[in-house]
Amino acid sequence: DAEITQSPRHKITETGRQVTLACHQTWNHNNMFWYRQDLGHGLRLIHYSYGVQDTNKGEVSDGYSVSRSNTEDLPLTLESAASSQTSVYFCASSESGRGTDTQYFGPGTRLTVL
Amino acid sequence: AQSVTQLGSHVSVSEGALVLLRCNYSSSVPPYLFWYVQYPNQGLQLLLKYTSAATLVKGINGFEAEFKKSETSFHLTKPSAHMSDAAEYFCAVSVEAGTALIFGKGTTLSVSS
Repeated sequence: DAEITQSPRHKITETGRQVTLACHQTWNHNNMFWYRQDLGHGLRLIHYSYGVQDTNKGEVSDGYSVSRSNTEDLPLTLESAASSQTSVYFCASSESGRGTDTQYFGPGTRLTVL
Repeated sequence: AQSVTQLGSHVSVSEGALVLLRCNYSSSVPPYLFWYVQYPNQGLQLLLKYTSAATLVKGINGFEAEFKKSETSFHLTKPSAHMSDAAEYFCAVSVEAGTALIFGKGTTLSVSS
């Protein structure tokens, strides 16, 4: 069965370190998204991609970057981790760019920045 | 711009009681609306979605939602709550242009026996 996986599931890091969160999907979907989930804020969009070599900033992109070199993967990099980036991160994918598309979510990565 | 407001961050019901989770949206163009559920320590999964066909949408696990344009609402209901329905529920909106979903802040549903 097709799926979307994230690794690691849990990560503790220190302020100032670079961190990369992996997202891999086997749906062969063109679109991939990164969200962060914080209490009282729901899910907020960080970055998204509509295909290989395409990346776009979302609502809360400062301090994050992504790159899309193939269809299956969209790694999220925190250039210099800050305590404000302690959160749960979700990756999602969808088939195309239509507004009716269902997004399929990974299990999440819980990141703690000390 | 689109936005979603979920009224009530926490809803508590008894097992067997009606579940009603409220969602109001704002959109300058025809919206598409979604309800997602998140069980503890898991990702989100789709419950149902409105894509401009029928205004009453049926989803998984006995949930349904009705799109009411005049009220800009898309409330989620289930006639009889089950203990396994305890989870966090998110309403989300998108538009035809295909941008990412805009989520509400979520409603935690608790079900007591």
